[in-house]
Amino acid sequence: DAGVIQSPRHEVTEMGQEVTLRCKPISGHNSLFWYRQTMMRGLELLIYFNNNVPIDDSGMPEDRFSAKMPNASFSTLKIQPSEPRDSAVYFCASREDTSYYEQYFGPGTRLTVT
Amino acid sequence: QQPVQSPQAVILREGEDAVINCSSSKALYSVHWYRQKHGEAPVFLMILLKGGEQKGHEKISASFNEKKQQSSLYLTASQLSYSGTYFCGTEAPDNYGQNFVFGPGTRLSVLP
Repeated sequence: DAGVIQSPRHEVTEMGQEVTLRCKPISGHNSLFWYRQTMMRGLELLIYFNNNVPIDDSGMPEDRFSAKMPNASFSTLKIQPSEPRDSAVYFCASREDTSYYEQYFGPGTRLTVT
Repeated sequence: QQPVQSPQAVILREGEDAVINCSSSKALYSVHWYRQKHGEAPVFLMILLKGGEQKGHEKISASFNEKKQQSSLYLTASQLSYSGTYFCGTEAPDNYGQNFVFGPGTRLSVLP
C-alpha cells in the first residue's frame, strides 16, 4: 500500500490567496483526520471525518477554513483567504473504523504564507 | 482538554532508560503513543485500552493507570534511533471511537 498521500508537499503563497491541500487516505480506512502542527500550538486536530461525513470540526480555526470529503478516497482542506498565521505543516491521517487501530499519517504539506 | 506530558525534554546516552508520562484531568478510555522524528510525520507506537488491552511495538512498553488517568511510556536500553518527539493522545469515553487529543510532546535526544 502506498500509504496516505498528500499534495502538494510544499506550498508558498501570498496573503489573501486561496490554498487547497489534498489527501488520499489508505484504501479501506473509514476515518480521516486533518491536523495542523506549529511550534507554538503543537499538533492540533482540525476536523475528523467518518465514512465521508464530518463528525467533529470544532478544531477548525475560523470560517476561512473548510474541508470536504466527497468520497472515500479523497479529501481537501481549503483556506480562503490565507494569512501568514496559517503557516504550518498540515497532516492528513487515516484509520480503520475503531479507535483500536492506529492512525496512519501522510507526509504532510508545509504551507508558507507570506 | 489536552493531556499533560512530562518531562518536556530529556537527553540520554545510548543504553540508558527513560520514562515519559502522560496525564489527563478527564476519565480516559484509551491512550495512544506516537513518535515523530524531525521533519517527518508522527508514527504509531502503541495503544492502551481501558481494561488492560494493548497493541503496539514489541520493544517499547507502556502502562495505563485508569484510576489516575495516567500513562507512562518506558524506553529501555535506548538507541540513537529512539530520538524524536513523543506524543500521547488521550481518548475519553464521551468521544470514544471518534478522535483524540494529542499532548504537547516530549523531546527525546539520545547521544552516542
